[in-house]
Amino acid sequence: GAVVSQHPSRVICKSGTSVKIECRSLDFQATTMFWYRQFPKQSLMLMATSNEGSKATYEQGVEKDKFLINHASLTLSTLTVTSAHPEDSSFYICSATQTGGSNQPQHFGDGTRLSIL
Amino acid sequence: GQSLEQPSEVTAVEGAIVQINCTYQTSGFYGLSWYQQHDGGAPTFLSYNGLDGLEETGRFSSFLSRSDSYGYLLLQELQMKDSASYFCALLWASKIIFGSGTRLSIRP
Repeated sequence: GAVVSQHPSRVICKSGTSVKIECRSLDFQATTMFWYRQFPKQSLMLMATSNEGSKATYEQGVEKDKFLINHASLTLSTLTVTSAHPEDSSFYICSATQTGGSNQPQHFGDGTRLSIL
Repeated sequence: GQSLEQPSEVTAVEGAIVQINCTYQTSGFYGLSWYQQHDGGAPTFLSYNGLDGLEETGRFSSFLSRSDSYGYLLLQELQMKDSASYFCALLWASKIIFGSGTRLSIRP
């Protein structure tokens, strides 16, 4: 149980392209989903918290207009990297917490490796 | 700030025991979690300490001391497949903050 599916697993595209990444909780409802970015040999950096039915909460230094987050249902959150540039190349990972308390463990998707040429 | 410090690299021998430490400078969190991440993969949950003390899950154990702002992950009977990065993470009301990560290398 508690499976999170992330799609696509890998994206290679030209600079200036917008890329959408989906994060789905397959067998549970997730009021809150999280988006992380991880550069090679570094830790996971929280980008934003996605809340179903409301605006996402962005961490300091993360551009809201650059990284658009939509959490339209209890099982789906999307991250759109708008007008991506080579410096946006990274490993993007989502996670979801089951509804029912803030001390629930987070379940991670398999990540999306984004490469901008 | 909400920073968590870990050793960057640890090397151990197959079959041995290794401890990965995590220190932090914050308060008001719910608990401390540990995650394992293999190269190219996503983090997988290993253990959670909501209270002070030791939690044991098979070959892995985790410890938390809020008074010392310190925790550790203990791996016993090390296997080659345990070679990975390990992250401690503080759980807050609405988010998780990850530590800097420890790269564990196992040699035969």
